[in-house]
Amino acid sequence: GAGVSQSPRYKVAKRGQDVALRCDPISGHVSLFWYQQALGQGPEFLTYFQNEAQLDKSGLPSDRFFAERPEGSVSTLKIQRTQQEDSAVYLCASSLTPLASGDTQYFGPGTRLTVL
Amino acid sequence: AQSVTQLDSQVPVFEEAPVELRCNYSSSVSVYLFWYVQYPNQGLQLLLKYLSGSTLVKGINGFEAEFNKSQTSFHLRKPSVHISDTAEYFCAVKREYGNKLVFGAGTILRVKS
Repeated sequence: GAGVSQSPRYKVAKRGQDVALRCDPISGHVSLFWYQQALGQGPEFLTYFQNEAQLDKSGLPSDRFFAERPEGSVSTLKIQRTQQEDSAVYLCASSLTPLASGDTQYFGPGTRLTVL
Repeated sequence: AQSVTQLDSQVPVFEEAPVELRCNYSSSVSVYLFWYVQYPNQGLQLLLKYLSGSTLVKGINGFEAEFNKSQTSFHLRKPSVHISDTAEYFCAVKREYGNKLVFGAGTILRVKS
């Protein structure tokens, strides 16, 4: 595809509901990242995949957050029992190379999650 | 750990005037530096990045940035801004052998006619 796509673009959930956010990276990109951007702040790292392997999940704020990339392409970020503080824009990014490098991360448009 | 400070939350400027958006970082190891732009309801788009070599980096849309290791700064400049440059700009740092980007809080550039 032409770029990173994310769906849905907007999600409203009632507190306590589970949500699933999808990311389609650029075809052939090995690395995939999830970031959380709260209102008025910069994005903050959540987790990183190299192909299907989740190599870094140090940024996940609690065990309610779970991410997977089972076939090394599409990724899903799942949030269980959503709380109001989970309201944010969730950004997905992908990059071509598997090695730590200065490779550009290409970002999707994000999913804006609002928890009522 | 790395951190990024963007000294101005908002910068108003008139069209065709020059602009500088300031970014300072802290890190005990070698880093790569990035500037991203975010237009409303869109994802982040890379403007430019510094990996090594010349400390003056030129990017898209006429922007440039200068890496200053002694001052741990990576300020973004444009000699003449347009209305279309109105957006939020994020400075980010990545460890040379790391994966994740660490972002600043962003600077909103408002270009007025």
